[in-house]
Amino acid sequence: DGGITQSPKYLFRKEGQNVTLSCEQNLNHDAMYWYRQDPGQGLRLIYYSQIVNDFQKGDIAEGYSVSREKKESFPLTVTSAQKNPTAFYLCASSIEGTFSYNEQFFGPGTRLTVL
Amino acid sequence: GEDVEQSLFLSVREGDSSVINCTYTDSSSTYLYWYKQEPGAGLQLLTYIFSNMDMKQDQRLTVLLNKKDKHLSLRIADTQTGDSAIYFCAERSTASKLTFGTGTRLQVTL
Repeated sequence: DGGITQSPKYLFRKEGQNVTLSCEQNLNHDAMYWYRQDPGQGLRLIYYSQIVNDFQKGDIAEGYSVSREKKESFPLTVTSAQKNPTAFYLCASSIEGTFSYNEQFFGPGTRLTVL
Repeated sequence: GEDVEQSLFLSVREGDSSVINCTYTDSSSTYLYWYKQEPGAGLQLLTYIFSNMDMKQDQRLTVLLNKKDKHLSLRIADTQTGDSAIYFCAERSTASKLTFGTGTRLQVTL
């Protein structure tokens, strides 16, 4: 079955610790995305990557870092510099290109709680 | 920058129609989307519309696009309890990036 997976589903960390969220897809998609979801604020784009070894900052990149060493994987690190990291994090992927409706497929999400 | 707005909450009775509204600011949007999010889960694409269309119908779903007013709506006919979820409007103005609205929580009552 093709899809996009995120692990773990729930993550607890102490304040001041870095934490890495996993995102893997086997859809052969070029583009991958990380969003943060907070109640009443919708989805905000953190980082995205259109191709391996390249990525761009989204609207709220401060305090986060990413890597894209493999097409299938796009891990997100929440660093201690992120002032309010407790949130629901969603990863997505899509085919690339302008001549398509380019559906973004979403993973099930990781709920991060910083204590 | 792009901005997409939705009302936060809508309550309807089972069997009635639901209408969820969305406004956006970017006139260069090429595609507009409606996504559904069940509690504690990721988003699933419900439907989309290309910017040169006014309407799209797909079973119980009807999407209306008023490009002049930058207004998008999603009508769900014969709303069921299983339709209770958060509905996100999104627009695409560049090849890769989507801008999402705040989401509308639809509550279906018996």
